[in-house]
Amino acid sequence: DTEVTQTPKHLVMGMTNKKSLKCEQHMGHRAMYWYKQKAKKPPELMFVYSYEKLSINESVPSRFSPECPNSSLLNLHLHALQPEDSALYLCASSQDRNYEQYFGPGTRLTVT
Amino acid sequence: GQNIDQPTEMTATEGAIVQINCTYQTSGFNGLFWYQQHAGEAPTFLSYNVLDGLEEKGRFSSFLSRSKGYSYLLLKELQMKDSASYLCAVRGSYNTDKLIFGTGTRLQVFP
Repeated sequence: DTEVTQTPKHLVMGMTNKKSLKCEQHMGHRAMYWYKQKAKKPPELMFVYSYEKLSINESVPSRFSPECPNSSLLNLHLHALQPEDSALYLCASSQDRNYEQYFGPGTRLTVT
Repeated sequence: GQNIDQPTEMTATEGAIVQINCTYQTSGFNGLFWYQQHAGEAPTFLSYNVLDGLEEKGRFSSFLSRSKGYSYLLLKELQMKDSASYLCAVRGSYNTDKLIFGTGTRLQVFP
């Protein structure tokens, strides 16, 4: 199994909703990442988990809350988002911090 | 500061060779990655350079010169499916989780 999976593929939510994005990998990778990508822009790092511990938070607003329940799963909990948070949210994983990252297909999020 | 520069757009013809350049100024360096991203899809890993020189992988090659802060991705025998954005990303220091991405080069291949 050499892939990173993400659910859902698409999500539309209102500004008062609470939703979660899920990411899973079964490659035994010990580092997992959340990125946000706007159209025609490169991915922007949001959070990094290394060995299930949060190692980087790129000053992301608290309306985004990451969670790593185990070494294969990474969640991103969303609450009270703004329309400008609409973007493609990408999850990635790597064997360890010095290795290449493999990306999931992303969740296309629209906040109305 | 951290800065990675790539051309915004390039065009080429099917069957040709194209070279996509990337220059970087970062506070540290521990590796440079190239990713391919088709519109609306996730980036896929293409190559990794940490030492100077050329890495070849089939139709794709990547070159690095650390002293010049410069890399290029060479695509040979271009195919229509190579139309995509190509992202250069630098890891600033050893044992860091963070990649710094360039803005990407959108390549269009014409028949």
